[in-house]
Amino acid sequence: GNSVTQMEGPVTLSEEAFLTINCTYTATGYPSLFWYVQYPGEGLQLLLKATKADDKGSNKGFEATYRKETTSFHLEKGSVQVSDSAVYFCALRRGNFNKFYFGSGTKLNVKP
Amino acid sequence: DVKVTQSSRYLVKRTGEKVFLECVQDMDHENMFWYRQDPGLGLRLIYFSYDVKMKEKGDIPEGYSVSREKKERFSLILESASTNQTSMYLCASSSDIAGANVLTFGAGSRLTVL
Repeated sequence: GNSVTQMEGPVTLSEEAFLTINCTYTATGYPSLFWYVQYPGEGLQLLLKATKADDKGSNKGFEATYRKETTSFHLEKGSVQVSDSAVYFCALRRGNFNKFYFGSGTKLNVKP
Repeated sequence: DVKVTQSSRYLVKRTGEKVFLECVQDMDHENMFWYRQDPGLGLRLIYFSYDVKMKEKGDIPEGYSVSREKKERFSLILESASTNQTSMYLCASSSDIAGANVLTFGAGSRLTVL
């Protein structure tokens, strides 16, 4: 089946620290991979995506590389800001009707 | 920009009431989805629709039904609300066009059932 596992939170960092949020997946075939972000009180927004192995998605200083050999899509940012405090969801798209499968979300708290 | 609008941000209902959650998208997307979001469980798919009048069950359809009479509108119906349906409900839409088939979400509807 298709599923996504991501590290549990919350993750608490100081401003300018390095961020990694781990995400691994199980899927048939070749899924597309996504990171979505949810700021307090809002819906989810697409942060970045990668559609094939070795692709790197990037946006707003965040990066993630599609690693087929390790079935991973870890999210990284070199220097976090307080405004990055949010819940981050890893997801894959696969199968009929382009269904999406989400991880359980990782809450990030960034302190000044 | 694609916009997905959910009609109610906050609702409080009583057990046994019929509840309608409305969702409208303005970019002619073929696919529409209803998820519920609960702490520690992430997003779980309730129902989705890939065309007008078409619907498919997701992972947790029990206690819910949906309606898609027009392409832009997808409604979630709780026939008889129960306390375990207290949750955040998220509507999303996506296109079938390759490269553009990402989910775009509404702001969410937080439902409390007393």
